[in-house]
Amino acid sequence: DGGITQSPKYLFRKEGQNVTLSCEQNLNHDAMYWYRQDPGQGLRLIYYSQIVNDFQKGDIAEGYSVSREKKESFPLTVTSAQKNPTAFYLCASSAGTGVYEQYFGPGTRLTVT
Amino acid sequence: EDKVVQSPLSLVVHEGDTVTLNCSYEVTNFRSLLWYKQEKKAPTFLFMLTSSGIEKKSGRLSSILDKKELFSILNITATQTGDSAVYLCADQGAQKLVFGQGTRLTINP
Repeated sequence: DGGITQSPKYLFRKEGQNVTLSCEQNLNHDAMYWYRQDPGQGLRLIYYSQIVNDFQKGDIAEGYSVSREKKESFPLTVTSAQKNPTAFYLCASSAGTGVYEQYFGPGTRLTVT
Repeated sequence: EDKVVQSPLSLVVHEGDTVTLNCSYEVTNFRSLLWYKQEKKAPTFLFMLTSSGIEKKSGRLSSILDKKELFSILNITATQTGDSAVYLCADQGAQKLVFGQGTRLTINP
């Protein structure tokens, strides 16, 4: 069963705590992405990785960090420096960064109080 | 800076109607334009358009790209309540997708 998995589906944290969101894919895709979606808005790119051990900042990287130690895994850490962390987080992957469609995981809804 | 604008932001129609969703874009190093449907969670891929004037079709959905005027449309004919969703348009530049804010489509029975 190929696809992208994200865990957990729902996550609750207190302000000031770091939290790590998991993203795993078994599609053998080289590129992986993290997006944030706020109510009534489109997706905004946080970080992306074209290949293992390499990643680039997207449009809203401040307060987030990532790692890409394995091809199939691209975890996102939401740090306490992120001012408004409550949002819906989507992970995606694609075969490359050329003309390829991106496939999305089911998302993690993070609530920070 | 790359930009994608969708219109309308919200649309409510009756079952059986035909709808047209619009997407205009400004991007450097354009590679493709993509349409996604988002119901509750993950966006699901609908179409990828790379060439002007060539319609892509899947059942009641179709889409076309105009690279001269920098826009794309998504048509849905004979709408059903299951078509209710947010439709996202994204353009693909050098290395990443830039998404529009989405059109929320509601189909009333």
